[in-house]
Amino acid sequence: QKEVEQNSGPLSVPEGAIASLNCTYSDRGSQSFFWYRQYSGKSPELIMFIYSNGDKEDGRFTAQLNKASQYVSLLIRDSQPSDSATYLCAVNSGSARQLTFGSGTQLTVLP
Amino acid sequence: DADVTQTPRNRITKTGKRIMLECSQTKGHDRMYWYRQDPGLGLRLIYYSFDVKDINKGEISDGYSVSRQAQAKFSLSLESAIPNQTALYFCATSDPGTGRTEAFFGQGTRLTVV
Repeated sequence: QKEVEQNSGPLSVPEGAIASLNCTYSDRGSQSFFWYRQYSGKSPELIMFIYSNGDKEDGRFTAQLNKASQYVSLLIRDSQPSDSATYLCAVNSGSARQLTFGSGTQLTVLP
Repeated sequence: DADVTQTPRNRITKTGKRIMLECSQTKGHDRMYWYRQDPGLGLRLIYYSFDVKDINKGEISDGYSVSRQAQAKFSLSLESAIPNQTALYFCATSDPGTGRTEAFFGQGTRLTVV
């Protein structure tokens, strides 16, 4: 089992819709969870981080964390074509709490 | 100027050649990482360093070596490059001491081994 797993995608949503991205992790001791956005050929950029169970909202983005079920999700409301990118889930895991990434979900927002 | 700088940005090399990718940072972070990205596989950790004297293997260290020359510099070497090492390589830093443990990435190095 991979340490961090994401929907394989690709995911397509119409402009204005809600995009839902999911991630599960295997290390129950993980404490920190991140969502990165990566445009093709560019470096990942952090868009959300969450440390506590529940929801965290930042503009059109909401991160949700459920440690008991070991999943973290990202909701993008009012999706825009500029949101089209690959979204990477990352978790601090392992004995040294290094950052481990999922394989990413490619999102396309259709105009 | 970028806080995390990778050189070169693009490199084409021949099979069997030794190549070094360099990373320098001005963020003052102790932790530095090298990741490799292949299509559909996300970012995979090659090596990480928590300070100058602390080097650790990641998920896919075979065929790679690293050197932490200073707090600000972390180099990745391919001793004898092979075609399946063709990938996009990222250097990253983090500073857990701030309470924020996210990674900050360099611009990436696209390496092609022919």
